[in-house]
Amino acid sequence: DTGVSQDPRHKITKRGQNVTFRCDPISEHNRLYWYRQTLGQGPEFLTYFQNEAQLEKSRLLSDRFSAERPKGSFSTLEIQRTEQGDSAMYLCASSLGQEEQFFGPGTRLTVL
Amino acid sequence: KQEVTQIPAALSVPEGENLVLNCSFTDSAIYNLQWFRQDPGKGLTSLLLIQSSQREQTSGRLNASLDKSSGRSTLYIAASQPGDSATYLCAVNQGAQKLVFGQGTRLTINP
Repeated sequence: DTGVSQDPRHKITKRGQNVTFRCDPISEHNRLYWYRQTLGQGPEFLTYFQNEAQLEKSRLLSDRFSAERPKGSFSTLEIQRTEQGDSAMYLCASSLGQEEQFFGPGTRLTVL
Repeated sequence: KQEVTQIPAALSVPEGENLVLNCSFTDSAIYNLQWFRQDPGKGLTSLLLIQSSQREQTSGRLNASLDKSSGRSTLYIAASQPGDSATYLCAVNQGAQKLVFGQGTRLTINP
């Protein structure tokens, strides 16, 4: 069990650029989640997948955000035309069904 | 809408003390509750998961309790150590797949 991995760990970008993050879940987990955490706050739910199907999206996920999970394995989260307010830690988690969620180390995004 | 509150926001205690962290939630219709630890700039480490039918869970020096009817959970840490210093987050799962988190309690254990 290698745990949930995320890449990159840190990303610095200029406002208006597009960024893409990757998450590799625990191999046998069928559910994958994306959360966003700003400084001093608890994580907030963005979206989740069961296998390859995206089943729920938060209102926080504006149309500049898109997530995919092709073939029900790894997932990508893309942010287009980044804004300074997008600066945050982006966390990925996975689970087997509705059970315990296991989190990755996160990707810290800084938008200049 | 489920809201999760953690009190206190920060706590500083001397090494060796037993301590309790509190978590309250507004909607008692939960599927399970998780306690996490987060070190600065890092991801979340799951500490304990309590199913809605359970009253408590224990792991080493940690004990988490759940009182669903009153919307409360506590995390008890026995014989605290400097390595326990971190932010502790509780999160409830209402079966809607997503976790709803509190803002966390920042714990400092002084040697």
